Amino acid sequence: GAVVSQHPSWVICKSGTSVKIECRSLDFQATTMFWYRQFPKQSLMLMATSNEGSKATYEQGVEKDKFLINHASLTLSTLTVTSAHPEDSSFYICSARDLNRDGLGYTFGSGTRLTVV
Amino acid sequence: RKEVEQDPGPFNVPEGATVAFNCTYSNSASQSFFWYRQDCRKEPKLLMSVYSSGNEDGRFTAQLNRASQYISLLIRDSKLSDSATYLCVAPKRNTDKLIFGTGTRLQVFP
Repeated sequence: GAVVSQHPSWVICKSGTSVKIECRSLDFQATTMFWYRQFPKQSLMLMATSNEGSKATYEQGVEKDKFLINHASLTLSTLTVTSAHPEDSSFYICSARDLNRDGLGYTFGSGTRLTVV
Repeated sequence: RKEVEQDPGPFNVPEGATVAFNCTYSNSASQSFFWYRQDCRKEPKLLMSVYSSGNEDGRFTAQLNRASQYISLLIRDSKLSDSATYLCVAPKRNTDKLIFGTGTRLQVFP
């Protein structure tokens, strides 16, 4: 149980275009999902908290107009990287919390490797 | 000071060795901590939870030292498959957000 599906697993896009990443909780409902970014040899950095039916909460230094988050249902959150630039190339990972599980119930998606050329 | 700090390593150990990692944290109010394992280019996966009494799971032992504000992970009888990055994780105070350390890389060689 507690599976989080993230799609796509990798994407290459041209500079200036937008990329949408989907995160789905397959067997549980997630009122809250989290989006992280990880640069090479660095740790996961929380970008934003996605709340079902309301606006996302962004961490300090993360541009909300650049990283658009939509959490329209209890099983789906999307992150759109708008007007992507090479410096946005990174590993993006979502996480959802299943309150019925141990260890605070966090399950991670398999990540999306974004390369902007 | 970072909320969660780890020695990035790498720790290079032979098969069968015992290796220990430490992680320091700055939020003394944190009640629980976690060790996650992350393989290259993969998502992190929960390895163990760490509570006040410590936790043991097979070859893995995690302990919490509140006085010195650090947690440790001990791996006995290292296997080649233990090669990965081990992430120390603490919940952010009064939130359900997780704060990750930079990770400690372990490489087990034959």
